[in-house]
Amino acid sequence: DQQVKQNSPSLSVQEGRISILNCDYTNSMFDYFLWYKKYPAEGPTFLISISSIKDKNEDGRFTVFLNKSAKHLSLHIVPSQPGDSAVYFCAASGARETSYDKVIFGPGTSLSVIP
Amino acid sequence: ETGVTQSPTHLIKTRGQQVTLRCSSQSGHNTVSWYQQALGQGPQFIFQYYREEENGRGNFPPRFSGLQFPNYSSELNVNALELDDSALYLCASRSMNTEAFFGQGTRLTVV
Repeated sequence: DQQVKQNSPSLSVQEGRISILNCDYTNSMFDYFLWYKKYPAEGPTFLISISSIKDKNEDGRFTVFLNKSAKHLSLHIVPSQPGDSAVYFCAASGARETSYDKVIFGPGTSLSVIP
Repeated sequence: ETGVTQSPTHLIKTRGQQVTLRCSSQSGHNTVSWYQQALGQGPQFIFQYYREEENGRGNFPPRFSGLQFPNYSSELNVNALELDDSALYLCASRSMNTEAFFGQGTRLTVV
């Protein structure tokens, strides 16, 4: 039973355009959501996060939107750059204020930014 | 400040054998989690240790076990290896109010 879903295994976008990666979750107890980026032969690196009390968080070219009623979040990358080509994992956990909550990952979306 | 380091980076084992993977947490982090990432899938949560106690476990059989040491480094042990255990094993460390920092992983191949 997959609690975090990323229904698009791959996405191709032209350099300079917007990349939109989508994620859905089923567990209403999730309180904190994260995006990780992974290059081949490296571990995932943290990109951006959002708490359930917010509906948007922005960090430079990266913006995460959360629609709690729909149990849906999305990551927008604007403008997309070739160096953004990687696998992006959506992840979720309980409240961030405790160290006890495990982080559950989605299956990932492979983004290719074409020069 | 050192990051999360895992050893070894690659490993080949025979079905039925036992394996120990090691992880050094990032300085100041007291929580370590282990994940299994099969090809084409996202990381699957195995278990988590906080201050040397297991405080969360995913859907993995008991032959997957772990330890966390007083310096917060950790081991993942897998007994009676099966072919399906072939995967990238990721260790992540964090403390309260920080995100998880991942190591580069150990690629385990069971033949």
